[in-house]
Parts: sequence; structure tokens; C-alpha cells
Amino acid sequence: DQQVKQNSPSLSVQEGRISILNCDYTNSMFDYFLWYKKYPAEGPTFLISISSIKDKNEDGRFTVFLNKSAKHLSLHIVPSQPGDSAVYFCAASGGNKLVFGAGTILRVKS
Amino acid sequence: EAEVAQSPRYKITEKSQAVAFWCDPISGHATLYWYRQILGQGPELLVQFQDESVVDDSQLPKDRFSAERLKGVDSTLKIQPAELGDSAMYLCASSFHRTSRRETQYFGPGTRLLVL
Repeated sequence: DQQVKQNSPSLSVQEGRISILNCDYTNSMFDYFLWYKKYPAEGPTFLISISSIKDKNEDGRFTVFLNKSAKHLSLHIVPSQPGDSAVYFCAASGGNKLVFGAGTILRVKS
Repeated sequence: EAEVAQSPRYKITEKSQAVAFWCDPISGHATLYWYRQILGQGPELLVQFQDESVVDDSQLPKDRFSAERLKGVDSTLKIQPAELGDSAMYLCASSFHRTSRRETQYFGPGTRLLVL
């Protein structure tokens, strides 16, 4: 039972354009959502988060949008840079446990 | 910048052997997590400690896996005996507060285990 789903295994974007990574969840008890970025041979690093009381949170080039009625969140990266190429994990918090999606591989082409 | 340390980074072992992984969380972090990440999947929580106590080990295969955090600082995860299906990345993470719903977890670089 996958409570957090990232349906796109990979995404390829041209440098300078927008990258949009999507995530869906099924558990309505989740009230805090995070995005992590992971480079090969490294652990995931925290990128940005959003509480369920908000619908948008912005940090520099990164913006996360939350649509609670659709149980959907997305991460926008504008403009995309080659250094953004990594695996991006969506995670949701219910209680004190994080549940992760399977990840989306982002490739930014220069 | 403080980091979560893990060792070894890579481990190759034969099935039925014992393996152990070590994690040193960021100083002052009360909560420590062990995750397993199978290729193509997201990290899955194995065990969570608050200080030296286990908070959640519901997903830990207790017949072969054990974890301890004796002094509430560093932690060891052990597998005995290892099976082929245990091949994965084992990630350690820590967070500052005690069982906060909205606490950011900071991850170490992981230990890549290959069981032959």
C-alpha cells in the first residue's frame, strides 16, 4: 500500500526552463510534506517543506505547492540548472513517521 | 557544518554472515532513525530511537535485525544472518527534537550493502 506516490520515474528538462515534480498521497492524516534531493553515493538532503495549513512555500528557485483536496503536491524549480540533476523524493509526515515516495530522477540538460 | 556520520560506506558479505553498521548523529540530536532503501524505492523506516529508547521498530525484521543506541548518542544496526534480499542502502538520519511531527530529518551518506 503506497501512501506516497511519485508516478514519474524520470524527468528531463532543458537548462533554464522550469522543472515540475509531482507527488500524490492517499492518507488524509498527513499534515506536513517535505522534498529531499539525493545525489549518487550521498544521503538525501532536505530541500523544502510545507505545512498543510499552507498551499505554497517558496525558497529561492524552489517552490512547493500543496492541493489538499486533490491530495497532491508539486515541486517547481525555476530556472533549472545542471546541478539540480538528482533524485527527488517526496515525503509526508503523519504522527512522527516520514513516508517517502519512490523518487523521480531529474536530468537537467545544458 | 555538522553532519551525520556512517560507516562503513560499502560492505560486501556472503549470505548467512553477520554485518554491522554504525551511525553517529548530529551532536545534540535526540532522535535517530535507521532506514533501508532498496534500489528504485524510497527510504523505509526500520527503527526510530528517542535518546536510548526505541520509539518505533514495527518494520524491523526482528528475527535477524537488531539495533541499539546504548548511551543515546551513536547507534549500531546489525543483521545476522544476512540474506540476499538484504542488499540495499542503509541510511541513518537524526533530528533535534523529540518526536516532533514537523521535524526535519538530516541523513548520513548511507552504507551500501551487497549480500552475495
